Amino acid sequence: DAKTTQPPSMDCAEGRAANLPCNHSTISGNEYVYWYRQIHSQGPQYIIHGLKNNETNEMASLIITEDRKSSTLILPHATLRDTAVYYCIVRFLTSGTYKYIFGTGTRLKVLA
Amino acid sequence: GAVVSQHPSWVICKSGTSVKIECRSLDFQATTMFWYRQFPKQSLMLMATSNEGSKATYEQGVEKDKFLINHASLTLSTLTVTSAHPEDSSFYICSARGPGQGREQYFGPGTRLTVT
Repeated sequence: DAKTTQPPSMDCAEGRAANLPCNHSTISGNEYVYWYRQIHSQGPQYIIHGLKNNETNEMASLIITEDRKSSTLILPHATLRDTAVYYCIVRFLTSGTYKYIFGTGTRLKVLA
Repeated sequence: GAVVSQHPSWVICKSGTSVKIECRSLDFQATTMFWYRQFPKQSLMLMATSNEGSKATYEQGVEKDKFLINHASLTLSTLTVTSAHPEDSSFYICSARGPGQGREQYFGPGTRLTVT
């Protein structure tokens, strides 16, 4: 089972900030949170990851709560090209290897 | 950096034939690669973990004799779908674990397989 929970869909007006929440209440102390997005019929695109501190890059910002049980991905100025399914992932250790278990993600639709 | 390619991007084959899909890390070495399958309107499902120089590890319910994985070098993993059937038609995506501290995975563009 996926270790994260996300709302199934969200709408956002073009030019506004898109805030995508994720719950990962079972995360362990040394696990990173990863965010990816998938545009139709393409492979997932890496966006950002974080451990404890908030992170920012050219694509997005990641806000992680102090207890690390949830996080929010922020797209500061959403464009139509940001319409995609966004996945929040916590790695899963099994057989000595860290793996991703994908949940259902959030389908973000940016509206003109 | 951290680019992963797949070839072919799409393939159509007849039932009973085998199809090989290649996954390459173009600008970094990847000791571990992963293979996923995605059906329409569904999420990605992990099929197997491919480790360079050793046997792949398959997820529960994935037939190892049907989905042959070879990871012969630090930049190439292949998935061969043997004796393909229409129900194997799907979007196959590989990823490679990157060199960064966060060990994030980088995904290929995917291969759409249609079995007729």
